[in-house]
Amino acid sequence: DAGITQSPRHKVTETGTPVTLRCHQTENHRYMYWYRQDPGHGLRLIHYSYGVKDTDKGEVSDGYSVSRSKTEDFLLTLESATSSQTSVYFCAIRAGLAGGQASTDTQYFGPGTRLTVL
Amino acid sequence: GENVEQHPSTLSVQEGDSAVIKCTYSDSASNYFPWYKQELGKGPQLIIDIRSNVGEKKDQRIAVTLNKTAKHFSLHITETQPEDSAVYFCAASSRNTGNQFYFGTGTSLTVIP
Repeated sequence: DAGITQSPRHKVTETGTPVTLRCHQTENHRYMYWYRQDPGHGLRLIHYSYGVKDTDKGEVSDGYSVSRSKTEDFLLTLESATSSQTSVYFCAIRAGLAGGQASTDTQYFGPGTRLTVL
Repeated sequence: GENVEQHPSTLSVQEGDSAVIKCTYSDSASNYFPWYKQELGKGPQLIIDIRSNVGEKKDQRIAVTLNKTAKHFSLHITETQPEDSAVYFCAASSRNTGNQFYFGTGTSLTVIP
């Protein structure tokens, strides 16, 4: 599982409330990612980080923010949750190859967080 | 950006038969193609990958083929077993997309005992 944990694993919240999901890794990987998974859409990238305090937007970043104050933790925040953000959220890390060909490093996923916004 | 399409969305096979899942991609610069297996309630697990400098890769009962000219790649599972039942995702990545993987929409495979 590449040493990735996510918390909480399940959460039910109400529309308009703030929510923060945590991804924690133990192997000092530089790159971390947040995806959401919805039926018919596969996995879509929300935000990613390429180092402490270095983050960038993905395909579906609206309504989400992230922070990475230390290598091991990558936080995803929904400032004001909406029902359209009900989803399963996965964190991933990129494990590098010797030689560091950036585009060919694969990603390993955490166990996921199921979020329901009522 | 890259667009990855995956077919079929559902697939049922008898135990012992073969299963084939196909993906197409749009960005000719894509050069890395991983496949993931996701069991119910778990995160996706990498099962095999292929880079654009090879046309085929095999690992026991699983193989992946790549046709760069046609921009499609396929997952082949032979001698299927009930434990192969899961959702399978393909993905594509390239230097042009930097750190990003683009995923297909998934195939739900059921192996009937």
